[in-house]
Order: sequence, then C-alpha cells, then structure tokens
Amino acid sequence: LAKTTQPPSMEAYEGQEVNVSCSHTNIATSEYIYWYRQVPHQGPQFIIQGYKDYVVNEVASLFISADRKLSTLSLPWVSLRDAAVYYCIVTDRAQVVGQLTFGRGTRLQVYA
Amino acid sequence: GALVYQYPRRTICKSGTSMRMECQAVGFQATSVAWYRQSPQKTFELIALSTVNSAIKYEQNFTQEKFPISHPNLSFSSMTVLNAYLEDRGLYLCGAREGTGAGNTLYFGEGSRLIVV
Repeated sequence: LAKTTQPPSMEAYEGQEVNVSCSHTNIATSEYIYWYRQVPHQGPQFIIQGYKDYVVNEVASLFISADRKLSTLSLPWVSLRDAAVYYCIVTDRAQVVGQLTFGRGTRLQVYA
Repeated sequence: GALVYQYPRRTICKSGTSMRMECQAVGFQATSVAWYRQSPQKTFELIALSTVNSAIKYEQNFTQEKFPISHPNLSFSSMTVLNAYLEDRGLYLCGAREGTGAGNTLYFGEGSRLIVV
C-alpha cells in the first residue's frame, strides 16, 4: 500500500501559482512530510518539510490539513525552471536517511 | 547552506569494469549518509546506509562485495560499483543527513550517472 498519492502530472504557465496535492491517509503521529523535486539528470532537491498547519520558506509553502491526511505544496509564480518531478514523502523524522520511499511523483510542466 | 557534491557526474564504462564515485558533504555535519540508485525507469532503490558509530548497512539485493563503500568520515564517502553490467546502469545518488540543529533533512548530491557499454 503506497504511503502517498499524488497526481501524476500537472501543467501551468509561467507566473501562475501551482498547488501540488499529496494524500497520506495512513500517516503516523511520528511522521513528517517532506517535499523534494528533481529535474532531469540531477539528484532530488529538498524543498520544504512540515508536520502540521502551515510552513513557508523562500521557495514554497506547505499546507497540511488538520487531520494531516492531506498536504499541498504551493509554488508561487512558477517559472520554466520549476518544471520538474515533485515528490511528497512521509517518514519518521528520526529515520530520514535510508527510509525515504520515493513514489512516482508529480511531473510539473511549465509553459512560457 | 548545506550542499552535497558528487563526482564524477557521469561515467561510461565497459561491461565488467568498475566505477568509483565520491560524495562530499559541505557546510554541515552529516551524521548519516545513504547511497541510492535511480534506475532508467526513475524508480529509487536504497543501496546502503551509513550512520555515525554504526557499521554500514546494505539493503537486500545489494552487497558489500559488489558495492564497497569507504567512509573515513561522515563528510566524505565513496562507493565503487564492481564488475558493472547493464543492470547496474542508473543515477547513483548520495544523500547526507544534516545531524545538528533543528533539521533532520536529507540533502542529495547531483548524482553520478553510470552508463555501461
């Protein structure tokens, strides 16, 4: 049973805000939510992490539902450089290394 | 900021030969280092995990005999793919966990791509 479920693909135009959803209905109380993105021929790049409510950094915002079963990564003003595969990962914070299970992710296509 | 460098970025080797790749954590103390392989189909596999004060732990289907890892300190790690064949193709990723401060984030390098011909 997959730990997370994401839409396989999304499309947007430059300048738009993009919201990528992730469902994690079986998330445990000890688990955190991590988002990474990967562009072709490069390793995954960490974007943001959170446990509950709302987290924001210079790159993105992360909204987590009250029951923690759903999270949404928000990318404001996307550009062509934001085209990538976005991965939502749920894991115990103490076990981050070695316990990251990558799903298929969401492929974001950005048009000029 | 935390950075992870991997070298080489890309290697083409003949079937049956070996490839060594390096991983360097810069700007942070890495308490754990993990090596992953991303297949041409984009799926991720954990190869091995190295944690401070613990032996290197290999995942099922990966062995020390095939993927020996050297770990003189947790800022530097190297792994060799011995006797590489077509099924060993892929992007080898090094992930280092930041061990101090508030973050337990895993930072990845840009990967070392192995092409076997």
